[in-house]
Amino acid sequence: DTAVSQTPKYLVTQMGNDKSIKCEQNLGHDTMYWYKQDSKKFLKIMFSYNNKELIINETVPNRFSPKSPDKAHLNLHINSLELGDSAVYFCASSQRPSGGLDTQYFGPGTRLTVL
Amino acid sequence: QKEVEQDPGPLSVPEGAIVSLNCTYSNSAFQYFMWYRQYSRKGPELLMYTYSSGNKEDGRFTAQVDKSSKYISLFIRDSQPSDSATYLCAMSAGPNTGFQKLVFGTGTRLLVSP
Repeated sequence: DTAVSQTPKYLVTQMGNDKSIKCEQNLGHDTMYWYKQDSKKFLKIMFSYNNKELIINETVPNRFSPKSPDKAHLNLHINSLELGDSAVYFCASSQRPSGGLDTQYFGPGTRLTVL
Repeated sequence: QKEVEQDPGPLSVPEGAIVSLNCTYSNSAFQYFMWYRQYSRKGPELLMYTYSSGNKEDGRFTAQVDKSSKYISLFIRDSQPSDSATYLCAMSAGPNTGFQKLVFGTGTRLLVSP
């Protein structure tokens, strides 16, 4: 069973288009994340939701809008795509413990190419 | 300057070698130190983590944290070709400061040749 799944796996689109990436987790976790990994493998957090509430919102252009319809899903919509948006986007989930570290489980990634 | 610095490599070693991977950081608030392994075209997976300073061993893997030097290491003993992957260090100030926010290094690509 896939723990954190993302669709689509690959996305090739033209500059200026609007696209969405979907994420689902079946781990029963209460927190989900979107990360962007650039061509140099640098992984940076974009957003985080806890129980459908936005809790982390890094400096990301307004063209990126996350949406969490329920605890198990976190989608990412991108408007007016630009060349610099080309990257691999990872979804992750975790369960916040009463103390200590909450392990984040990553999905397989969505490779976005903007032409 | 990035909060977490990591040599991108690639680091090429023969099978059986001891591998040393390192990260330095600047934020003294970091309390949790993690190592993730990422195979090509896959998502990162947590290898091990350490809280505060000290060592932690798990099989062939040993993580070390020196908070006074802001320096962390991952050692892999008896390296195997299956260890070939990108290793990312990640750090966090921890849940007591709010929700978990991981700051990653750029990753070191490791190649273990048979």
